[in-house]
Amino acid sequence: DAGVIQSPRHEVTEMGQEVTLRCKPISGHDYLFWYRQTMMRGLELLIYFNNNVPIDDSGMPEDRFSAKMPNASFSTLKIQPSEPRDSAVYFCASTRLAGGYEQFFGPGTRLTVL
Amino acid sequence: AQTVTQSQPEMSVQEAETVTLSCTYDTSESDYYLFWYKQPPSRQMILVIRQEAYKQQNATENRFSVNFQKAAKSFSLKISDSQLGDAAMYFCAYRAKGNNLFFGTGTRLTVIP
Repeated sequence: DAGVIQSPRHEVTEMGQEVTLRCKPISGHDYLFWYRQTMMRGLELLIYFNNNVPIDDSGMPEDRFSAKMPNASFSTLKIQPSEPRDSAVYFCASTRLAGGYEQFFGPGTRLTVL
Repeated sequence: AQTVTQSQPEMSVQEAETVTLSCTYDTSESDYYLFWYKQPPSRQMILVIRQEAYKQQNATENRFSVNFQKAAKSFSLKISDSQLGDAAMYFCAYRAKGNNLFFGTGTRLTVIP
């Protein structure tokens, strides 16, 4: 299995631009999670999906952030407009409820907003 | 609310020696899971070990073992025969019946040759 795939690995953009992060979960996993990691706040859950449906988005910082999962093999996290404080590493993770509850993480996307 | 506390921001260990990383958590649940994740400089999050709260036996994975004290809400990680490749950030994490993982702030482990 290829594992969780994220793209891009690095993204540098200017304040005010739209940013789209992409994730392909492990095939057969029915839960997908988006996390953000910063030095100040550590690892935070932003949102998670079950069977492509958003279940808990209480961690999404504000309306500038949105996430979609149009099908079982693809999800996006969009920031519009981006701000310097959004600079962080964004992780996608997936799991299969029947599989022992381990979350498998992607390699992360390092976002820098100038 | 669930919280996970790692009180050691940094630890160091001599190669081949043993080190223990501490973790405490707060929960009102009786059924939950605890994890230790390793994050090397590549930043990939790698599961090290998992413990189910209903199991009294401490989990072990090769050189990694845990000391799970449910009453004390403590979940420490012991690394035996430390290797240079063990150098990383280590995160303790908690998961209850929902699917949210709550992470501690991490412990940076340095392995001294």
